[in-house]
Amino acid sequence: DGGITQSPKYLFRKEGQNVTLSCEQNLNHDAMYWYRQDPGQGLRLIYYSQIVNDFQKGDIAEGYSVSREKKESFPLTVTSAQKNPTAFYLCASSTGLAGGLNEQFFGPGTRLTVL
Amino acid sequence: AQSVSQHNHHVILSEAASLELGCNYSYGGTVNLFWYVQYPGQHLQLLLKYFSGDPLVKGIKGFEAEFIKSKFSFNLRKPSVQWSDTAEYFCAVKLKTASKLTFGTGTRLQVTL
Repeated sequence: DGGITQSPKYLFRKEGQNVTLSCEQNLNHDAMYWYRQDPGQGLRLIYYSQIVNDFQKGDIAEGYSVSREKKESFPLTVTSAQKNPTAFYLCASSTGLAGGLNEQFFGPGTRLTVL
Repeated sequence: AQSVSQHNHHVILSEAASLELGCNYSYGGTVNLFWYVQYPGQHLQLLLKYFSGDPLVKGIKGFEAEFIKSKFSFNLRKPSVQWSDTAEYFCAVKLKTASKLTFGTGTRLQVTL
């Protein structure tokens, strides 16, 4: 059953703690993405990776970090430097072919609440 | 700067009414265009996409969208909405040569019986 899994579905953390959100895909996609979704603001790109061991900052990268050691996995760390971390986080993947149709497929999301 | 605008933030329609959701973009260059839908409690999923060719594209569940290059628009339409179309709809745009998508702020559609 191919797709993208994100865990956990809900996550609660205390202010000042770093937290890592998991994203795994078995679609054999090269590119992976992290978005943040806030009411009325749509999806904003945090980081993306077009190939293993490489990633680029998106529009709102401050306070976040990522790694891409394996093709299937793209974990996102929300650090204590992120001023407003409470949000719904979505992971996506695509074939990553520049010039290709590049439809992105999305995971179910993780709702992070920082207390 | 590249941007995508969805001017309708919240739309309420009765079943069987016609739907048109606006999407305008500001991009230099050849673009690919997408509409995604997020049903309550479900994954974001693709409704339809424009890559090239016929500017009128048809998607799933009776939705269609028309790419009007001169107006930088990609409006979503459906002739007769159903209660099950209640969802949030996102327009997204990318340069043809890139993989990075820019999303609009979304339109929440509520269909009443």
